[in-house]
Amino acid sequence: QSALTQPRSVSGSPGQSVTISCTGTSSDVGGYNYVSWYQQHPGKAPKLIIYDVSEWPSGVPDRFSGSKSGNTASLTISGLQAEDEADYYCCSYAGSVRVFGGGTKLTVL
Amino acid sequence: QVQLVQSGAEVKKPGASVEVSCKASGYTFTNYYMHWVRQAPGQGLEWMGIINPSGGTTSYAQKFQGRVTMTRDTSTSTVYMDLSSLRSEDTAVYYCASSSTWSAKIDYWGQGTLVTVSS
Repeated sequence: QSALTQPRSVSGSPGQSVTISCTGTSSDVGGYNYVSWYQQHPGKAPKLIIYDVSEWPSGVPDRFSGSKSGNTASLTISGLQAEDEADYYCCSYAGSVRVFGGGTKLTVL
Repeated sequence: QVQLVQSGAEVKKPGASVEVSCKASGYTFTNYYMHWVRQAPGQGLEWMGIINPSGGTTSYAQKFQGRVTMTRDTSTSTVYMDLSSLRSEDTAVYYCASSSTWSAKIDYWGQGTLVTVSS
């Protein structure tokens, strides 16, 4: 049950797009279409922004999109806004357990 | 609306145990599974385990096997997480969070409970 691998940090300017990767194995990311993404601002609880690889919860703008290829899932944020600056975590179902990624800090320049 | 309200901050000595509670409201308690996720200071999210409030079935992350116990009280719609043999590395914010099935998205989160382990 090793943590999923995410880049430690990414950055982009307002209006640009960024992509955050999340690499696992065939026992988690590659084995199920149950990858979710969470946004976390400092001192706050995580917020669900993508589930089942590419689905949006209500209220989440479609600037956030998800995809998966093999053992790697990706979160793309288009039209970057200042309020997107936060930590982002992927999470995958892995049979009877869940596993999170190490987190990626997004800086909006 | 769904609300998960956790118990307050705790300070414990190494070797002690801690119990964190999570009271659910706004939905049928037995219809949603409950996860526990922790976050050490400046670190990432770490999944600890899940409990099915309906039957009490649990599944724990291998790292916490033997040290964590998750229980529920259906009469008060409350889930409990007990962590024993505490060490300084267990200092973290502990969150409860719900999902509609064993594999579904974790969509509602509690406010978090800070547990500090210090001598």
